[in-house]
Amino acid sequence: GAGVSQSPSNKVTEKGKDVELRCDPISGHTALYWYRQSLGQGLEFLIYFQGNSAPDKSGLPSDRFSAERTGGSVSTLTIQRTQQEDSAVYLCASSLVWTENTEAFFGQGTRLTVV
Amino acid sequence: GQQVMQIPQYQHVQEGEDFTTYCNSSTTLSNIQWYKQRPGGHPVFLIQLVKSGEVKKQKRLTFQFGEAKKNSSLHITATQTTDVGTYFCAGFSGSNYQLIWGAGTKLIIKP
Repeated sequence: GAGVSQSPSNKVTEKGKDVELRCDPISGHTALYWYRQSLGQGLEFLIYFQGNSAPDKSGLPSDRFSAERTGGSVSTLTIQRTQQEDSAVYLCASSLVWTENTEAFFGQGTRLTVV
Repeated sequence: GQQVMQIPQYQHVQEGEDFTTYCNSSTTLSNIQWYKQRPGGHPVFLIQLVKSGEVKKQKRLTFQFGEAKKNSSLHITATQTTDVGTYFCAGFSGSNYQLIWGAGTKLIIKP
């Protein structure tokens, strides 16, 4: 596609429910990042996929969080048994990984509200 | 692990004053990038620096990459209200092929 697409753009869920957030990266981008951003804060790294390599999951805050990337393209971030502290904007970004060109393109984000 | 420290966290300036944000990496970077995030938006790419000692300019913005490729700065001359937002640096590590992000510096224009 023309850009990184995330869905849904907004999600309100009840505490304890599971949610799935989707990211459709730019075609051909082998790198895909998930970040979480609370209001007025910086980017909190969650997980990184690069080609066929094992993902870097070092940023996932708990075992309630998981992500997968199917066929090296679309990625889903799943949060199980959501808590109120999970409320944030979840941003996905994709990029190439050549040293001369690693610009990250961000989606519009999914605003998750846990009530 | 690899870290990129960015300071200051906030900077309040009067319109027309200059603004500078600094990034320092714990390791040598393959490149460094700068992004701007407007309130309510997502980070948008501004520029990438690759060479040691590189300096690039975009109108009132000047970007520098240190000789050791471990630090970088963004300087805005004569700030305008359109400059408001958070500026992030992101260093690309050639060892693990990841972007490592600074925490961002929020530019606030005093009324």
